[in-house]
Amino acid sequence: SYELTQAPSVSASPGQTASIPCSGHKLGDKFVFWYQQKPRQSPILVIYENYMRPSGIPERFSGSNSGNTATLTISGTQPMDEADYYCQTWDRDTVIFGGGTKLTVL
Amino acid sequence: QVQLVESGGGLVQTGMSLRLSCAASGSTFSSYPMHWVRQAPGKGLEWVAVIWSDGGKKFYSGFAEGRFTISRDNSKNTLFLQMSSLRVEDTAVYYCARDGTWNDAPKFYFDYWGQGVLVTVSS
Repeated sequence: SYELTQAPSVSASPGQTASIPCSGHKLGDKFVFWYQQKPRQSPILVIYENYMRPSGIPERFSGSNSGNTATLTISGTQPMDEADYYCQTWDRDTVIFGGGTKLTVL
Repeated sequence: QVQLVESGGGLVQTGMSLRLSCAASGSTFSSYPMHWVRQAPGKGLEWVAVIWSDGGKKFYSGFAEGRFTISRDNSKNTLFLQMSSLRVEDTAVYYCARDGTWNDAPKFYFDYWGQGVLVTVSS
C-alpha cells in the first residue's frame, strides 16, 4: 500500500521560512493536499492540488510537488502557525495521510 | 457557512455497535461526496470511508471493511457511520468531512470538517 513519510518535527523562528517535506514513491505524479491542525481543533485545509490555496488561507502558505517529495512552505512564519501539519494524497480510491509534522515556532 | 455537526459518540465495550451521525448545513449536501476520518488520541489522521454524492458508491479503509458502513440520507442532509464489532483500537475522535469537489465522484480531499465526536471502546 502507498505510504507518505513526514518528519515528526520542524522548527522555525518567527519571520523565517519553514519548510515541511512529505515523501512518497513518485509523489510528483499525484495531487497532494495539506492540513493544519492546532491542539483540540479540527484540521483545516491549507493547500490543495499541490499548490492551490483555499480562500482565507494567507499567502505565506505555499506548496510544491515534484519527484518523490512535496513541500509545504510557510514564508514569514508567525507564532500562530505553530501546529501539526499533515500531507495527504489518494491512491486506488483510498486516502493516505502522512504521519504529521509538528511545527514549533521558537 | 458550511457546518458539519457530528453526534452519536460515547463509551462502548468491545464487540458492541455504535452509529455516528453528521448533520450538514450551509451547502447543497446532496452534491458532495462525504468522508469519515478518525484520529486516535495523540495520533495522526486516518481515513475511514467515502460515499459518493448520490450514495451509489462507497469505499473503505482496510480496517473498516466489513465492520463499518457509511451511508447518507440526502433528504435529511445527514451522513452516517454504522460501526460494529468495535475494538479498543477503534477509540478515536471521528470527523465527518466534505469532499473538495462539487460532483458525484470524489476528489479525495477535505475542504470542510466537523468538530469531531469521541468514540471510546473499552475492554
